[in-house]
Amino acid sequence: QITLKESGPTLVKPTQTLTLTCTFSGFSLSTSGEGVAWIRQPPGKALEWLAVIYWNDDKRYSPSLKSRLTITKDTSKNQVVLTVMNMDPLDTATFFCAHTRGGEFDYWGQGTLVTVSS
Amino acid sequence: QPVLTQSPSASASLGASVKLTCTLSSGHSSYAIAWLQQQPEKGPRYLMKLNSDGSHNKGDGIPDRFSASSSGAERYLTISSLQSEDEADYYCQTWGTGSWVFGGGTKLTVL
Repeated sequence: QITLKESGPTLVKPTQTLTLTCTFSGFSLSTSGEGVAWIRQPPGKALEWLAVIYWNDDKRYSPSLKSRLTITKDTSKNQVVLTVMNMDPLDTATFFCAHTRGGEFDYWGQGTLVTVSS
Repeated sequence: QPVLTQSPSASASLGASVKLTCTLSSGHSSYAIAWLQQQPEKGPRYLMKLNSDGSHNKGDGIPDRFSASSSGAERYLTISSLQSEDEADYYCQTWGTGSWVFGGGTKLTVL
């Protein structure tokens, strides 16, 4: 059974860097084809894909946010970390991580709400 | 990069059926999509992957009431015997070479 859970701060100040951790079980990022994605959802709005990292350390980023995002993995801890630089109030959103094998996101975490405010 | 278009809202009566639509942008009619359900205050739940030929693979535990079909650039999700817990936002998702896209979502109200 695949499960994922997001963790990190609930409140960050403008210009700060946000660091979120996705801790998962039921699969390994040392297994060929496995990947973890990050997605965000501003309050009342649609989902937006942010980044993906694969078992072989291949990384993909949303073109519109690429300059601010970094995704990394710790295979031994079954964790994936997303950092977002220079946070702005418009970045206030619920952040989700999800499992993928390259196409659909088939297992999702419950999400964590991050508010950007001074 | 494909664009996915969904109607903002839909409604149907308890026990009835409803068909939701996701439209792929021009030139992308061969793309597979995924359907997701997001109940209020919850994370998205994967329903199924839908191919351009209409074949689909459901996620774990998805009831038979949920089915899907394709026609050209249109991708459909049909929910039959509507229940109150089906009231949710429904998103479609697709992917290309190293990028992923979501539709704007359809809010389904069960009357």
